[in-house]
Amino acid sequence: SQTIHQWPATLVQPVGSPLSLECTVEGTSNPNLYWYRQAAGRGLQLLFYSVGIGQISSEVPQNLSASRPQDRQFILSSKKLLLSDSGFYLCAWSRGTAEQFFGPGTRLTVL
Amino acid sequence: QQQVKQSPQSLIVQKGGISIINCAYENTAFDYFPWYQQFPGKGPALLIAIRPDVSEKKEGRFTISFNKSAKQFSLHIMDSQPGDSATYFCAASTTGGYQKVTFGIGTKLQVIP
Repeated sequence: SQTIHQWPATLVQPVGSPLSLECTVEGTSNPNLYWYRQAAGRGLQLLFYSVGIGQISSEVPQNLSASRPQDRQFILSSKKLLLSDSGFYLCAWSRGTAEQFFGPGTRLTVL
Repeated sequence: QQQVKQSPQSLIVQKGGISIINCAYENTAFDYFPWYQQFPGKGPALLIAIRPDVSEKKEGRFTISFNKSAKQFSLHIMDSQPGDSATYFCAASTTGGYQKVTFGIGTKLQVIP
């Protein structure tokens, strides 16, 4: 069966510090991968998606970036965090259909 | 641009009652309409989904009603239970090519005993 992992589960970072969130998927190959941010009362905002290694598409201009160094690994990064980057970050995968499977999420607080 | 409008944003229902959440979409190219359930601190999980070739789909106590001409769909939770208390997201996507999913803003449901 397929499993999606995210870490860390929670993170508290000062403004201006770097960020690296990691997502890995097990039990499938060549998944579509997604990063979402969920802010209170604002639903799910798609940040990045990837259909293959090294292929990243950005949905929202911002100071975040994403990379896919391996088939089942998706990384969300920032060089300098802003207060507005606080939120619940969700990684998801799909197998080429519209059905998406979400990870447990990372709660990021920027102080 | 909010392509999927969801209402209400919060809902309180008594145990045993019917919970109803409504969504409307604009893009007629959408052909897949899932609902996700999210418990606090967890990622969303697919609950039930429908395609526009049917008007209703039922799984246990959960039913999706779909009105293609009105571009609306809704989730009905029959015999609502406290364990159903969660945030529910409707969504819409296309199934061809890259399947970008557009989510509604979410409805926080509280079922009180």
